[in-house]
Amino acid sequence: DAGITQSPRYKITETGRQVTLMCHQTWSHSYMFWYRQDLGHGLRLIYYSAAADITDKGEVPDGYVVSRSKTENFPLTLESATRSQTSVYFCASHTAGIAFFGQGTRLTVV
Amino acid sequence: GENVEQHPSTLSVQEGDSAVIKCTYSDSASNYFPWYKQELGKRPQLIIDIRSNVGEKKDQRIAVTLNKTAKHFSLHITETQPEDSAVYFCAADSGANNLFFGTGTRLTVIP
Repeated sequence: DAGITQSPRYKITETGRQVTLMCHQTWSHSYMFWYRQDLGHGLRLIYYSAAADITDKGEVPDGYVVSRSKTENFPLTLESATRSQTSVYFCASHTAGIAFFGQGTRLTVV
Repeated sequence: GENVEQHPSTLSVQEGDSAVIKCTYSDSASNYFPWYKQELGKRPQLIIDIRSNVGEKKDQRIAVTLNKTAKHFSLHITETQPEDSAVYFCAADSGANNLFFGTGTRLTVIP
């Protein structure tokens, strides 16, 4: 199925655990992004990647790690989950400035 | 970096009336301004965009205007319908495919 997909769609994890959110795109777009969406804050950029093996911090990177060994995949890892990281996470790929979002992952940290 | 402010945060209109959402940006280098619509429980999707060499763009009932001098742009929805109810995000691209989003406007169209 063409497009950008995220997994899992829903995740509940405990404080202190490591959790990885997956993102896969089939278009071979160079740029990929991770946002978190919280009420009152809109979409805030966590990390982005301009190409394979090139990543950079966004507005709220603390507590997150990313990697991009292949163009099509851009996983986001919470090294030690905290309750403040409870949020909806959106992965996106960009081309010509247009962002295409995945379905989102609703993460709850208890 | 770029800072995008969006107002209002919530907006209720009667069906058939017009809705206007306004955004300002800070980086004069920004040259691309998209608007995204996010229906409840779904992903944001692009509905209209405008580039800095254009002052206005229309697509059926929606239009976007841009004032580069004042660094603000607006979304106009005419003849609103219940299916227009959603959260709308403005964004500005300051280059390098890096979009900065506003905080969103929850639009409710009352039948």
